[in-house]
Amino acid sequence: GDSVTQMEGPVTLSEEAFLTINCTYTATGYPSLFWYVQYPGEGLQLLLKATKADDKGSNKGFEATYRKETTSFHLEKGSVQVSDSAVYFCALSGGQAGTALIFGKGTTLSVSS
Amino acid sequence: GAVVSQHPSRVICKSGTSVKIECRSLDFQATTMFWYRQFPKQSLMLMATSNEGSKATYEQGVEKDKFLINHASLTLSTLTVTSAHPEDSSFYICSARGSREANEKLFFGSGTQLSVL
Repeated sequence: GDSVTQMEGPVTLSEEAFLTINCTYTATGYPSLFWYVQYPGEGLQLLLKATKADDKGSNKGFEATYRKETTSFHLEKGSVQVSDSAVYFCALSGGQAGTALIFGKGTTLSVSS
Repeated sequence: GAVVSQHPSRVICKSGTSVKIECRSLDFQATTMFWYRQFPKQSLMLMATSNEGSKATYEQGVEKDKFLINHASLTLSTLTVTSAHPEDSSFYICSARGSREANEKLFFGSGTQLSVL
C-alpha cells in the first residue's frame, strides 16, 4: 500500500542554518504531497503542498518540490529560526474527495539561538 | 482560519472504563472526519473515516466495537474508547474536511493523550 518515509530526528540546528528534511513516498497513481507542522501544544497545520510532478510548494520560507522520478518531496529552508522548532510531517493523499492522508513518522526540529 | 477543537487534551482513566473524545469544527461544516492514533515516534495511523449521518469506515485491524465513532452532525464527531486497556494508551487526533464550499481543506485537532492505568 501507499506509504511515506521521512528522515528520523531529532534534527538540531543553530539559528540561520540550512534545513533539509528528507521525505520519500510509495504510491499508486499520482498522489498529492503535503508537509504539515505541529508546534508544541497545537494541532497539525498545513505548511505546504504540491499536487503534481515538478510542482513546488512554498510557505513561510519553506519549500519542497514534487519529484516523481525520485519519488521525493524533501522540505528545505535556507535560514531557520527558533520559532521553526516543531514536528514536521510529510504526507500523501490519493487526491480523491474523502481520501485520508497517509503520514510519515514525523521529524522533530529543534533550533537554538 | 478554520479551527477544529478536540477535547479533552489529556485524559487518564482506569482500565475497563470508557472514554469519549470530542472533535468539533468551529466555523465550517465538516462533511468528513478522520480519526488517527499515534504511538511515540510512529506515524499517525488512520483508524476510521466517518461521514455525517452514516456509519464510520474502519481501517483493517481497528476494532469497531471498541472504538465507537459517532458523526451525528456536520460539526461534531466523537470517538469512544470502550473498556479501555493499557494498550489503548496513545495519542488520538481528529481531522475534519470541509464541504466543497470550503475547498475540501483538511484541518486537525490538537490531539488527545489517553493514558490507561
